[in-house]
Amino acid sequence: NAGVTQTPKFRVLKTGQSMTLLCAQDMNHEYMYWYRQDPGMGLRLIHYSVGEGTTAKGEVPDGYNVSRLKKQNFLLGLESAAPSQTSVYFCASSYGGAGGRRNEQFFGPGTRLTVL
Amino acid sequence: AQSVTQPDIHITVSEGASLELRCNYSYGATPYLFWYVQSPGQGLQLLLKYFSGDTLVQGIKGFEAEFKRSQSSFNLRKPSVHWSDAAEYFCAVVNNAGNMLTFGGGTRLMVKP
Repeated sequence: NAGVTQTPKFRVLKTGQSMTLLCAQDMNHEYMYWYRQDPGMGLRLIHYSVGEGTTAKGEVPDGYNVSRLKKQNFLLGLESAAPSQTSVYFCASSYGGAGGRRNEQFFGPGTRLTVL
Repeated sequence: AQSVTQPDIHITVSEGASLELRCNYSYGATPYLFWYVQSPGQGLQLLLKYFSGDTLVQGIKGFEAEFKRSQSSFNLRKPSVHWSDAAEYFCAVVNNAGNMLTFGGGTRLMVKP
């Protein structure tokens, strides 16, 4: 099993450009998440999905869109990148269901994005 | 709303010394708690978790954590630190709706030879 994979690993954008980050998981997990990580701020949830075809806003959703057309994939889009979106982006997935196991998240290796 | 505080941003210990990383949470009910570790340039890896039952939980890599309801704490411990333990450690709690994690700001551990 590859677990959670993210594409690309690194990317540099100019202000105003758009891009899509791809997350894939092969664990048949129901829930998927997108986080950003900035120095001293831990991880902040951008958007999440509790199943194929569903998405919901997290803590910092502005400037991002997501789609979950297939259970194994979760895409994060930036329509018009801004320097404030320079960050490391992590995708995660979890089993779903009831109880604490729902939130036992497995993380991808991250995508380092720089917006100039 | 729930929150997680990791009071120590940086900690330095000597190899072979014991370690305790602090985590305090605010939550109304019995929380689900996690500790994750992040090595440089890597994603987060689950060290251990607490859902219910025994308040002392064992994890991977020789780590353990103790849930103390009276102190709203879930501190991470290791009796003897190895150089490979140098990393950033994150405590997390499940939110009231049960659909997402709230992370602390992290504690960066450095290990002196």
